[in-house]
Amino acid sequence: EAGVAQSPRYKIIEKRQSVAFWCNPISGHATLYWYQQILGQGPKLLIQFQNNGVVDDSQLPKDRFSAERLKGVDSTLKIQPAKLEDSAVYLCASSPRLAAAGDTQYFGPGTRLTVL
Amino acid sequence: AQSVTQLGSHVSVSEGALVLLRCNYSSSVPPYLFWYVQYPNQGLQLLLKYTSAATLVKGINGFEAEFKKSETSFHLTKPSAHMSDAAEYFCAVHNDYKLSFGAGTTVTVRA
Repeated sequence: EAGVAQSPRYKIIEKRQSVAFWCNPISGHATLYWYQQILGQGPKLLIQFQNNGVVDDSQLPKDRFSAERLKGVDSTLKIQPAKLEDSAVYLCASSPRLAAAGDTQYFGPGTRLTVL
Repeated sequence: AQSVTQLGSHVSVSEGALVLLRCNYSSSVPPYLFWYVQYPNQGLQLLLKYTSAATLVKGINGFEAEFKKSETSFHLTKPSAHMSDAAEYFCAVHNDYKLSFGAGTTVTVRA
């Protein structure tokens, strides 16, 4: 079974530029998550989708971050414009069921973003 | 809201020695608890999880963790460290259908 795929793996941009990250979850998984992991910290949830609907985006800086999950499969996270403090690893994860407490989340390899 | 605290941001052990990583949780209801491992430049991989079935949980790579309600702890152990165990370890609690992670503990293994 293929795991969670993410691209690109690395991205370097100048501040105020735009960037987009792509995630393809494990086939058949209903729930998709985007996390931000700043160096030296644990991952922080940015947004959670169930199928193609948003369940939780309370931690997403909506003035510059946006995300979508068209057709309930793959997802794109965009930052526009980027700030220096957005430098982090962006992790995508998926889990099999809808709103199932205790479900294992499976993580992709992440995209390391550096904003100069 | 439920949260976890990992005690010690860095742990150094000798190869063959016991690995002990500490995690305490705060929760008003029985929690779901997880340990994940992250190797350099990789995503997180599940080591084990507690879902109230048994207090001693065995995971991959020889790791295990014990849920102690009286101490609100879920410490991770491995009897004998291997060089390949060098990584960052995260404790997490399932909170309102999302994971809340601790700050992580980096493990280095000395030859």
